[in-house]
Amino acid sequence: AQKVIQVWSTASRQEGEELTLDCSYETSQVLYHLFWYKHLLSGEMVFLIRQMSSSTAKERSGRYSVVFQKSLKSISLVISALQPDDSGKYFCALWEPGTQVVGQLTFGSGTRLQVYA
Amino acid sequence: AQTIHQWPVAEIKAVGSPLSLGCTIKGKSSPNLYWYWQATGGTLQQLFYSITVGQVESVVQLNLSASRPKDDQFILSTEKLLLSHSGFYLCAWSRTGGGNYAEQFFGPGTRLTVL
Repeated sequence: AQKVIQVWSTASRQEGEELTLDCSYETSQVLYHLFWYKHLLSGEMVFLIRQMSSSTAKERSGRYSVVFQKSLKSISLVISALQPDDSGKYFCALWEPGTQVVGQLTFGSGTRLQVYA
Repeated sequence: AQTIHQWPVAEIKAVGSPLSLGCTIKGKSSPNLYWYWQATGGTLQQLFYSITVGQVESVVQLNLSASRPKDDQFILSTEKLLLSHSGFYLCAWSRTGGGNYAEQFFGPGTRLTVL
């Protein structure tokens, strides 16, 4: 079974609009981290924002913010004032402590975003 | 500032040929290192991780091997490529300690095409 689910494989918006990308996850851990990454066409994977399971703060980084609904095991990435450069593939990832010394980072299947000028 | 380099940028190889992909991290001592693989259109799958020189743990068995000959270097290799090895290979690093240091930072990746 998939641990990290991104339902929408593609999305498109006009420049200036706001977009919410949804992600749901499964974990039995009490403490875990959730991340959003952006995969550029060049191949580079860029870290965007992190949400710690223990935090109730509304995480924000520039035009990126998250909506974390812990009881629903859901985390959404909100991108405001979209720009064409926001186009790319967005991955949700779950980090759990586990059998590995370094923990385990599991990625969703990603949502490809196209922003039109 | 930490920088992560991967080489080569892209590779086209024949089935059955050997492969060696490299990754170097500068500006960070004793990082945790990771190799990921992404099939075309797929998600990222962790292949290996290493917490120290000479120590590598396999996460997924894909007929690949990895080594960490130096603190700042991580190598992915195989003696015999399969068609299924095609895809995008990403190297990543994280601070040691887990927990608050869970963020992984990725290199630019290597695109591998096996024909």
